[in-house]
Amino acid sequence: ELKVEQNPLFLSMQEGKNYTIYCNYSTTSDRLYWYRQDPGKSLESLFVLLSNGAVKQEGRLMASLDTKARLSTLHITAAVHDLSATYFCAGGRGNQFYFGTGTSLTVIP
Amino acid sequence: KAGVTQTPRYLIKTRGQQVTLSCSPISGHRSVSWYQQTPGQGLQFLFEYFSETQRNKGNFPGRFSGRQFSNSRSEMNVSTLELGDSALYLCASSKDAPEITLEAFFGQGTRLTVV
Repeated sequence: ELKVEQNPLFLSMQEGKNYTIYCNYSTTSDRLYWYRQDPGKSLESLFVLLSNGAVKQEGRLMASLDTKARLSTLHITAAVHDLSATYFCAGGRGNQFYFGTGTSLTVIP
Repeated sequence: KAGVTQTPRYLIKTRGQQVTLSCSPISGHRSVSWYQQTPGQGLQFLFEYFSETQRNKGNFPGRFSGRQFSNSRSEMNVSTLELGDSALYLCASSKDAPEITLEAFFGQGTRLTVV
């Protein structure tokens, strides 16, 4: 079974600072996803990463994938309050998603 | 375009009862997956349906079942409810099999509370 671990679980950061969320997975994954979830809301797709070395950026968020290290990162640049949410990474294998525990991010003014 | 619709949004049930949750995927989508989200276990895969066929099931007891109709709408049923079944149940739809389209769109979930 594909196991996905995220760290940190909780992250409190000041506006304007940079930080990285780490996602490790236990065995081969076909693809790697990042999702955002706001309280009481659904999961919003942020990125899908397919191959080693893949890097995708959207606004202040940048995701990367290192399949050899079985590691994906979500880098936050110059955080703003609107980025406060819970972020999940998920490995995809076949028709199934294997989710990490989530990182609860709070951006403090 | 309309997103994934789950009904009801909130449910309170008593132990021992059964419950049925509904998911209407995005129009044209043929795959529906169900996930359970709890604070302790996180997001766990329940099952996936594609063109009315259950393709695989997660590690859940037989009390959890589901089906998909010809219009791709899906229902999941939990019988003999236990307190531990309290969770947010999310469904996700994909245009084709998730491993082909790579994208899955999630609904807002049904919050089930078992008392």
